[in-house]
Amino acid sequence: EVQVVESGGGLVQPGGSLRLSCAASGFTFSSYDMHWVRRATGKGLEWVSAIGTAGDTYYPDSVKGRFTISRENAKNSLYLQMNSVRAGDTAVYYCARGDVTTVTGHYYYYMDVWGKGTTVTVSS
Amino acid sequence: DIQMTQSPSSLSASVGDRITITCRASQIISYYLNWYQQRPGKAPELLIYAASSLQSGVPSRFSGSGSGTDFTLTISSLQPEDFATYYCQQSYSSLWTFGQGTKVEIK
Repeated sequence: EVQVVESGGGLVQPGGSLRLSCAASGFTFSSYDMHWVRRATGKGLEWVSAIGTAGDTYYPDSVKGRFTISRENAKNSLYLQMNSVRAGDTAVYYCARGDVTTVTGHYYYYMDVWGKGTTVTVSS
Repeated sequence: DIQMTQSPSSLSASVGDRITITCRASQIISYYLNWYQQRPGKAPELLIYAASSLQSGVPSRFSGSGSGTDFTLTISSLQPEDFATYYCQQSYSSLWTFGQGTKVEIK
């Protein structure tokens, strides 16, 4: 079964650090881009970061310089190192697989496999 | 960054109704538009990719259309399990963004 399972969430103080993990199974992990997406209570989905198969990384301004995405293909694992966390980082964090399809000669990207999420609470 | 704006933010509908959700991008994104469904307490699920391609396993009552800056998600006959929040998301730029979501509630 193709699946991703997040872990590592918990309570962290403002300014502190936390490392999330995502364990992938049922597919060739090294062949796929991977993403982190979060949803704060009462708010919508927010894309947090992505890492390509070559290790290229992408972040929105809201987390750039504070969060670091990484992968360890030998362990089929994805990580999100969260530093200098703020109250606004409180959310459920989802790991998602990125896939691509060719339509009329163009490559289209999307997230097709999602985990159930891990909850991060930033509070003193 | 590319801003994605959905309308309406919420709607009430009955089982069997046909509903349409609109998503507008702040710049041209061609067909690089995906739709997701999120039920309460569950992970998001991919419904539509490349604006109009139905993800495997998704019921045919879901359909997507549009290109450029304006897109729509249509549910032809609303079922009880369709009451959820729907999000559009662009993959045109390397920095992906979601719309704010449309909550579909039971009338």
